[in-house]
Amino acid sequence: DIQMTQSPSSLSASVGDRVTITCQASQDISNYLNWYQQKPGKAPKLLIYDASNLETGVPSRFSGSGSGTDFTFTISSLQPEDIATYYCQQYDNLPPAPLFTFGPGTKVDIK
Amino acid sequence: EVQLVQSGAEVKKPGESLKISCKGSGYSFTSYWIGWVRQMPGKGLEWMGIIYPGDSDTRYSPSFQGQVTISADKSISTAYLQWSSLKASDTAMYYCARHRLTGLIDYWGQGTLVTVSS
Repeated sequence: DIQMTQSPSSLSASVGDRVTITCQASQDISNYLNWYQQKPGKAPKLLIYDASNLETGVPSRFSGSGSGTDFTFTISSLQPEDIATYYCQQYDNLPPAPLFTFGPGTKVDIK
Repeated sequence: EVQLVQSGAEVKKPGESLKISCKGSGYSFTSYWIGWVRQMPGKGLEWMGIIYPGDSDTRYSPSFQGQVTISADKSISTAYLQWSSLKASDTAMYYCARHRLTGLIDYWGQGTLVTVSS
């Protein structure tokens, strides 16, 4: 099974700060990596798909990069409404696929 | 508009059975995989498995294989998650979600809270 790690597990930053979260896969997953935002008490929301593509309607301050095993998610200028937990998610299409796996999450707070 | 509407919260005792539902609308229900994600209290997201309602092809995460059953009734555009014998450790929020074979999960239900307590 492919394992996903994320770092940090939590962070606190000021409004306007640049925030970076990393996600690492235990083996090459090409660009099958997506990022989700989950606000307290709400369902997750897709932000970035295929490592670097911004989902329609998502603010451009969110971005993603990477391929293979190492990926990065960035908020260029943190806003109060960005308080949430962020999850990476990989997709494995090798048999007995399809299988999906989430990273453990990164909780983002305002300092 | 794509919508996934889940059944309401449940309170059950250990050993009881349960089946929760997720009704899709606004898209071709038989043309997309639909699956379930668990979130235990204060914890992260855990992918459980998916079903393709068009032919009922079902895949499970190794962590959930044999623990739950995923099914679908395409005639009423509804997917199900069921347990034959609940445990206290099944207490969690369960989300249904539409999956694409490009690897992303694009629409989510509102969640169903399952509480198992004696």
